Amino acid sequence: QVQLVQSGAEVKKPGASVKVSCKTSGYTFTTYYMHWVRQAPGQGLEWMGRLNPDGDTRYAQKFQGRVAVTRDTSTDTLYMELSGLRYDDTAVYYCAREVSTGCGSYAYWGQGTLVTVSS
Amino acid sequence: DIVMTQSPDSLAVSLGERATIKCKSSQSVLYRSNNKNGLAWYQQKPGQPPKLLIYWASTRESGVPDRFSGSGSETDFTLTISNLQPEDVAVYYCQQHHTSYTFGQGTRLEIK
Repeated sequence: QVQLVQSGAEVKKPGASVKVSCKTSGYTFTTYYMHWVRQAPGQGLEWMGRLNPDGDTRYAQKFQGRVAVTRDTSTDTLYMELSGLRYDDTAVYYCAREVSTGCGSYAYWGQGTLVTVSS
Repeated sequence: DIVMTQSPDSLAVSLGERATIKCKSSQSVLYRSNNKNGLAWYQQKPGQPPKLLIYWASTRESGVPDRFSGSGSETDFTLTISNLQPEDVAVYYCQQHHTSYTFGQGTRLEIK
């Protein structure tokens, strides 16, 4: 079965970077678009970026220059690195896989990784 | 960016009754190439990731009870939950993927 397992919670200082991983299994990793979505405490969902099967990336304008989505095809792992952390980057970060190629709805989600930005 | 606006922000419905949640997009999310709407609905319970309920505006995800249905086209969409059950208490989000990706602000559903 499809599984997305994310790395554990992180506490970072303002200005630092964080890299969150998402280990996938149960399907062919390079077949599907993969996305990162975040959710601040008590708030809604916010799309951050995606990596397509060809390895190309696309990011929300809000995060351009601060976020990088990468992958390691040898371990079927997706990564999201966010730099220049601010207090309002405190959120749960989710990786998600599309339901099918070309349909940008997310059928599978990681369990979420809480990133806390605190001095 | 396409702005997704849900209504209401919260609602309370009696068990066994119907809940209706609306989602309006600031631009059409209809793909002319396949005549499908790039609109999905998710359910999120506390401490859990969102769960996909409906995609392409009206296609029910595998395993989702048929009490959940989606309708609409272009800019106006509806999620209907019939015969409301206690386990349906959650926050519901719409999402478009026609032009980039954006979510509605969420609708909190409670039992009356």
